[in-house]
Amino acid sequence: AQTVTQSQPEMSVQEAETVTLSCTYDTSESDYYLFWYKQPPSRQMILVIRQEAYKQQNATENRFSVNFQKAAKSFSLKISDSQLGDAAMYFCAYRSAFLLRGGADGLTFGKGTHLIIQP
Amino acid sequence: NAGVTQTPKFQVLKTGQSMTLQCAQDMNHEYMSWYRQDPGMGLRLIHYSVGAGITDQGEVPNGYNVSRSTTEDFPLRLLSAAPSQTSVYFCASSDRAGAEAFFGQGTRLTVV
Repeated sequence: AQTVTQSQPEMSVQEAETVTLSCTYDTSESDYYLFWYKQPPSRQMILVIRQEAYKQQNATENRFSVNFQKAAKSFSLKISDSQLGDAAMYFCAYRSAFLLRGGADGLTFGKGTHLIIQP
Repeated sequence: NAGVTQTPKFQVLKTGQSMTLQCAQDMNHEYMSWYRQDPGMGLRLIHYSVGAGITDQGEVPNGYNVSRSTTEDFPLRLLSAAPSQTSVYFCASSDRAGAEAFFGQGTRLTVV
């Protein structure tokens, strides 16, 4: 079974600064997908960014980028120019590609990092 | 475009009662799943489905049943509610393996 670990229960950053959220995972699979989801107080789960394990290039979405280190099983999220609207819980998640070969589906989540933006 | 719709948004049950949490999606997605979110635990997979008529257990399936008779609907049944099932429940769908999962707004369930 896969596990996802987020070692920072809470992070705080000044508005307009850059913050990096950590995520490590454990898997014996070679093909999988990684995600960062944001959950604001409204509790809606919102996709921030997606990474395919077979792609070397790190995914980026505007102010959000990842540092994907497959050998180290690390998938950190960098938020540049932090804004007050970025304040939320952030969850790292893993999804196996083995479903395509009859494996199990579903996302495995970390426990989350609570991001606070200081004005 | 409604996306994934969960009903109800809030529910209080007494221990031993049964109920069904509804989930419907209008995106013609094959893959659907249920998660529960407890404080400090992240989201944990309860059951999932890869198409109509096909379901399987996730990490925490005990006390829950599912069925998938149509592509659109994936209800979650609590047969005999227990206080340990107090949680926020999320339904999600995606159109293929590895794709982004779209989530419903969640149901906050309290069992007293």
